[in-house]
Amino acid sequence: AQTVTQSQPEMSVQEAETVTLSCTYDTSESDYYLFWYKQPPSRQMILVIRQEAYKQQNATENRFSVNFQKAAKSFSLKISDSQLGDAAMYFCAFAGYGGSQGNLIFGKGTKLSVKP
Amino acid sequence: EAQVTQNPRYLITVTGKKLTVTCSQNMNHEYMSWYRQDPGLGLRQIYYSMNVEVTDKGDVPEGYKVSRKEKRNFPLILESPSPNQTSLYFCASSLSQGAPYEQYFGPGTRLTVT
Repeated sequence: AQTVTQSQPEMSVQEAETVTLSCTYDTSESDYYLFWYKQPPSRQMILVIRQEAYKQQNATENRFSVNFQKAAKSFSLKISDSQLGDAAMYFCAFAGYGGSQGNLIFGKGTKLSVKP
Repeated sequence: EAQVTQNPRYLITVTGKKLTVTCSQNMNHEYMSWYRQDPGLGLRQIYYSMNVEVTDKGDVPEGYKVSRKEKRNFPLILESPSPNQTSLYFCASSLSQGAPYEQYFGPGTRLTVT
């Protein structure tokens, strides 16, 4: 069974600085997707970034980028030029191609605080 | 506007009183699912549906029922709610064409069972 681990329950960053959130996962599959979702105080789940495992190039979306290390099963999220609006819970998630291909396996989340 | 809607957004009920949380999407997605979110546990899948009349259990299905009679709707039914089902519930939908596509989430339903 796949598992997703976020080892940092809470993180803090100064506004305009850079922060990296860690995520590791365990799977025996070779093809899969990885996601980072943001959950602000409104509780809405918002997709931040997505990475296909077969792509070697790390995904980027404006100030958000990932460091995908397939062999190490690591998928960290880097937020550059942090803004107050980035304060939220961040969830790492895994999705495979198996029978329940839409089932997202979530980590327990990292609460990010942004200090002005 | 493409969206997933859930109703109600907040619900307080008593143990044993049957309830239904509705979920509807307007994106013609085949795949729909329900998750519950509890502090320190992240989100866990309750049930999912690959298409109309096709449903299956997720990781935490006990105490829940679902149905998928129409493509756009996927209600979550609690026949006899108990306090351990107090949680934040999310409905989600996505395309289902051989790849784990991005899931679109509803706004969440905060359920309290006393």
